[in-house]
Amino acid sequence: LAKTTQPISMDSYEGQEVNITCSHNNIATNDYITWYQQFPSQGPRFIIQGYKTKVTNEVASLFIPADRKSSTLSLPRVSLSDTAVYYCLVVPGNTPLVFGKGTRLSVIA
Amino acid sequence: GAVVSQHPSRVICKSGTSVKIECRSLDFQATTMFWYRQFPKQSLMLMATSNEGSKATYEQGVEKDKFLINHASLTLSTLTVTSAHPEDSSFYICSARGYSRWTDKETQYFGPGTRLLVL
Repeated sequence: LAKTTQPISMDSYEGQEVNITCSHNNIATNDYITWYQQFPSQGPRFIIQGYKTKVTNEVASLFIPADRKSSTLSLPRVSLSDTAVYYCLVVPGNTPLVFGKGTRLSVIA
Repeated sequence: GAVVSQHPSRVICKSGTSVKIECRSLDFQATTMFWYRQFPKQSLMLMATSNEGSKATYEQGVEKDKFLINHASLTLSTLTVTSAHPEDSSFYICSARGYSRWTDKETQYFGPGTRLLVL
């Protein structure tokens, strides 16, 4: 499984755009990049998934450079309710997700 | 995205009793289901993987006789914590993977979790 590295924590003010970068230097050809969000005492919530270039949905954007050795989750105009832990995972489609420590995002008023 | 439900959301039991947690995928067929455990301030730890109709595969260090998993159908999996002890107190989260019409590929979705407290 490709190992991922992401910042342990980040702070942001409300209304700002937040970019969380994840490194995955040994990503394999079949691997997809997936991000989850977790609030305290809740299960992780799927945010976005991508393979290359850019993916956008109603919640976030995911930017993946051509070499795919990193990816950046972009949250536009965060609010207090976006305070959570964000996990970057790189895995082929048929293996279970193994979680790292994630990035604890704190949004400040 | 897909909905995965768990029941109960929290349970308190006495030491030595057994507790059953149900996990259902409500709007898609899960080819594989997973059980995770999460202790405070820590990340999720995979306990076991199960496919419908077959025995679960347990991660190293997880006692299969203590954490019984039954995957009866493509939409239902249960985890039974047998002879629970205080050290089994944790947050248990199930997960289901299957083809998602939202992502147009195999995607893993998670339930809301079950808080278990063993007294």
